[in-house]
Amino acid sequence: LAKTTQPISMDSYEGQEVNITCSHNNIATNDYITWYQQFPSQGPRFIIQGYKTKVTNEVASLFIPADRKSSTLSLPRVSLSDTAVYYCLVGDTNSGYALNFGKGTSLLVTP
Amino acid sequence: GAGVSQTPSNKVTEKGKYVELRCDPISGHTALYWYRQSLGQGPEFLIYFQGTGAADDSGLPNDRFFAVRPEGSVSTLKIQRTERGDSAVYLCASSPNAGPYEQYFGPGTRLTVT
Repeated sequence: LAKTTQPISMDSYEGQEVNITCSHNNIATNDYITWYQQFPSQGPRFIIQGYKTKVTNEVASLFIPADRKSSTLSLPRVSLSDTAVYYCLVGDTNSGYALNFGKGTSLLVTP
Repeated sequence: GAGVSQTPSNKVTEKGKYVELRCDPISGHTALYWYRQSLGQGPEFLIYFQGTGAADDSGLPNDRFFAVRPEGSVSTLKIQRTERGDSAVYLCASSPNAGPYEQYFGPGTRLTVT
């Protein structure tokens, strides 16, 4: 399984854009990059998934450079309710069902 | 529609006792997963079902842990001779298909072994 490295924690003020970068230097050709969000006392929630370039949905954008050795989750104009742990995961179509969460990035948004 | 549900939400048991944790996946989802999350850590994979069969149980920590999904819907995680180290939140997830795709998680069962 490709190992991921992301910051342990980040702080932001409301209304700012937050970018969380994840390193996955040994990502394999068949690996997808997926981000999950987890609030306290809840299960993780899927945010976004990509393979290369840029993916955008109503919640976030995911930027993946050409070498795919890193990815950046971008949250536009965060609010207090975006305070959560964000996990970067890498997995392929064969074994990627066994999500490998790591410790994630704890994001704290303050007024 | 209804999401993944898990019961009980909390379970306190004494060391050495047997416990069962239940998961009701989203209707129609053929893939079901169990994870365990310790305090301050991300969820760790335990087992994956495709239909009724356990397709991958490589994450089960030892033979005290067992899971079933007899009719391809509801699943039960069973833990024998519980130990204090089994204390964690046990999460269940389901998805329409297996793979690195979106998994829908339940709220979890918090197990405390005293």
